[in-house]
Amino acid sequence: GQQVMQIPQYQHVQEGEDFTTYCNSSTTLSNIQWYKQRPGGHPVFLIQLVKSGEVKKQKRLTFQFGEAKKNSSLHITATQTTDVGTYFCARTYNTDKLIFGTGTRLQVFP
Amino acid sequence: DTAVSQTPKYLVTQMGNDKSIKCEQNLGHDTMYWYKQDSKKFLKIMFSYNNKELIINETVPNRFSPKSPDKAHLNLHINSLELGDSAVYFCASSLPPGELFFGEGSRLTVL
Repeated sequence: GQQVMQIPQYQHVQEGEDFTTYCNSSTTLSNIQWYKQRPGGHPVFLIQLVKSGEVKKQKRLTFQFGEAKKNSSLHITATQTTDVGTYFCARTYNTDKLIFGTGTRLQVFP
Repeated sequence: DTAVSQTPKYLVTQMGNDKSIKCEQNLGHDTMYWYKQDSKKFLKIMFSYNNKELIINETVPNRFSPKSPDKAHLNLHINSLELGDSAVYFCASSLPPGELFFGEGSRLTVL
């Protein structure tokens, strides 16, 4: 189907710990996008992955696209309180329709 | 300048009323969207317009009617509001298949 599932739904970590969220699809994805939504805010684009096995880094954030293009992950090294929010993956369907994953809500305790 | 702006930010209204949310983008994008985010944070696409033409209409009650007077504007009108319509409604725009730029959201509370 169109849906992408994300796990975990919630994650609480101590500041300084690492965090990973996973995005899984039953069908092959043309690309995957990642967004971050701060509490009370709106989703903000982080990155897009297109190639099989692609790995991209943004400072403490590492994004991966699976070899089979059916899954993706976002890993945050040494979390900070500014990382708090909900992280969404999103898949493109029929070129112009972006379907969002179920989201992972990250809470970071100082 | 705000890239995607929507008004109002907050709406509190009684069941049965009609309300509208307006959205404007100054990014020159051809495609605009309405998404609904419920209390569990699920983001669900409702509508998509490309250059004023409706291209996506998900399973949304026909009490919801989008209107795009031009490619920079996409408004959402909701008739006969119900309790279950309470949510945050996000407008977004893009140049598909690129990233979406979201507005700040309109929080609708139906009493």
